[in-house]
Amino acid sequence: EPEVTQTPSHQVTQMGQEVILRCVPISNHLYFYWYRQILGQKVEFLVSFYNNEISEKSEIFDDQFSVERPDGSNFTLKIRSTKLEDSAMYFCASSSGTSPHTDTQYFGPGTRLTVL
Amino acid sequence: AQSVTQLGSHVSVSEGALVLLRCNYSSSVPPYLFWYVQYPNQGLQLLLKYTSAATLVKGINGFEAEFKKSETSFHLTKPSAHMSDAAEYFCAVSVSTGNQFYFGTGTSLTVIP
Repeated sequence: EPEVTQTPSHQVTQMGQEVILRCVPISNHLYFYWYRQILGQKVEFLVSFYNNEISEKSEIFDDQFSVERPDGSNFTLKIRSTKLEDSAMYFCASSSGTSPHTDTQYFGPGTRLTVL
Repeated sequence: AQSVTQLGSHVSVSEGALVLLRCNYSSSVPPYLFWYVQYPNQGLQLLLKYTSAATLVKGINGFEAEFKKSETSFHLTKPSAHMSDAAEYFCAVSVSTGNQFYFGTGTSLTVIP
């Protein structure tokens, strides 16, 4: 069964450094998403991406964040200058795009980002 | 704005007992509702979803949920718990005016032998 994959599984970085989290969505999906979960808190939406542009973003997704689909398979989240409060589990998801509001979003296993 | 509240961050049941995980939603427009499960070191996996068809929705692994508009609830149930049901369960809502999901804080289910 097709699945969303994410690398690395755990990333440790120093405050102020840039990190890139990588995701490979399901191959025929059209919508891509990033969510994050700070330990003990809700899973929060960051951004959705469709047709090579941001479709929707939350207040969390400020100028330090960016997303890119550099090729036909990868979908990346870049954090330019990490802060301590960026420490969280980051989930990538994808959906078919037939009906975005009701489509099942398929999630990857997550990348745990630790900022020291 | 949309949101979900999951009552009980931790629920313990005996093997074979009824599982009831609670989810209440808030939405100013008709909602679409989802239950996801997360096993250790894995991604979130869809259990079931409500998309305005039948109010009683059956999902995988014997789980079901009923959409009750009057109670703004979408509780998840399973008649008989199995050890393999031990996991984290998340309720989520989406609406037609956007494509993001709004998640609850999750409920950790423990099944006692």
